[in-house]
Amino acid sequence: QSALTQPASVSGSPGQSITISCTGTSSDVGGYNYVSWYQQHPGKAPKLMIYDVSNRPSGVSNRFSGSKSGNTASLTISGLQAEDEADYYCSSYTSSSTLLFGGGTKLTVL
Amino acid sequence: QVQLQQWGAGLLKPSETLSLTCAVYGGSFSGYYWSWIRQPPGKGLEWIGEINHSGSTNYIPSLKSRVTISVDTSKNQFFLWVNSVTAADTAVYYCARASWGAADGAYHYYGMDVWGQGTTVTVSS
Repeated sequence: QSALTQPASVSGSPGQSITISCTGTSSDVGGYNYVSWYQQHPGKAPKLMIYDVSNRPSGVSNRFSGSKSGNTASLTISGLQAEDEADYYCSSYTSSSTLLFGGGTKLTVL
Repeated sequence: QVQLQQWGAGLLKPSETLSLTCAVYGGSFSGYYWSWIRQPPGKGLEWIGEINHSGSTNYIPSLKSRVTISVDTSKNQFFLWVNSVTAADTAVYYCARASWGAADGAYHYYGMDVWGQGTTVTVSS
């Protein structure tokens, strides 16, 4: 299984919005609404930000939103803040009953 | 507040067996899937596998021949074994909790919402 495809890096200025894409296949992202997004700060464990494509766990800011079209899922962060600077990973359930992560995207807040 | 605490040997020689424990504190053990994920230095996350409270497992195909995940419900603990390790198994290993459920006429995957602190495992001769 190859990792889901994410851009290596994205950047934005405070207050702006950015979108991170996550492309898979019909056997994972396109086949199920079981896409999650995780935020990871350096040296820390990942934190769940989005589940089931577009749902936020309790306590996650509504500046974070998710969507999906075909084989590509997206994470949008609006009103960028300095603390949003981190690595972001998508993951998807697959037809093999496994989970697959994306390669990760480094978000830089300029 | 559910917490996961993990431990295990941090330095291994090639061909040895990696063994990690993850203990669940402050919450129910049943009704969830308990996962292991690893992250090589400077690289991304890789899901290794999962187990539920009744012992049903799923593993990533590329590691399935070398990996075993088991559970001890009496201690609220689950375990990871990886045999015949090489330098490529050097990584930070995380345990995490995941859940599935039915609601509103649909089946949902609620993601990995609780994570352990991570254990650094280095394989070197």
